[in-house]
Amino acid sequence: NAGVMQNPRHLVRRRGQEARLRCSPMKGHSHVYWYRQLPEEGLKFMVYLQKENIIDESGMPKERFSAEFPKEGPSILRIQQVVRGDSAAYFCASSKSTGGFTEAFFGQGTRLTVV
Amino acid sequence: QQQVKQSPQSLIVQKGGISIINCAYENTAFDYFPWYQQFPGKGPALLIAIRPDVSEKKEGRFTISFNKSAKQFSLHIMDSQPGDSATYFCAASTGKGGSEKLVFGKGTKLTVNP
Repeated sequence: NAGVMQNPRHLVRRRGQEARLRCSPMKGHSHVYWYRQLPEEGLKFMVYLQKENIIDESGMPKERFSAEFPKEGPSILRIQQVVRGDSAAYFCASSKSTGGFTEAFFGQGTRLTVV
Repeated sequence: QQQVKQSPQSLIVQKGGISIINCAYENTAFDYFPWYQQFPGKGPALLIAIRPDVSEKKEGRFTISFNKSAKQFSLHIMDSQPGDSATYFCAASTGKGGSEKLVFGKGTKLTVNP
């Protein structure tokens, strides 16, 4: 049973380009969360999605960032017109449900570097 | 606004010693308090978690102590081993479920010397 799969592991983009980060949740999981981790910082919540729905995007920057979790395929975090400040590790987590004491499993992250 | 404050930022312990990491929270609606362990280049992995209806939970060498009135919780690692060297994050969440929208502390880098 594969864990949460994120790709690419490392991504380098020039300022102004687009970055697309992919996350395949664990089998049987229908809830996906994206977090951003800056160096020497904890993880900051960005967005929570279920299949075809954005449930909570309170942590997403208002501009340039978007996320989706289509009926088929992985969840995508898209960053348009990247700037140096977007350089960070982006982690995806998935869970089966949110009822009760439910563990969120994290992927290994995508390290985005903007040059 | 930092809702979960974690200390210390770094910790050095000798093999066999006890490692203690503390966290304090502000939001009384939090109802799930997990600790995550993260090795360099890896994603966080759940270590142990507690709900506010108990004051202590133990799993092997890892124990969470929870003080609801003080809004504090801590992780104790007994008989610390070099393999425990990692960054540890406390977290908290609210809502119906246990894993929605985790709010993380800034992390503690633990080094266990052999």
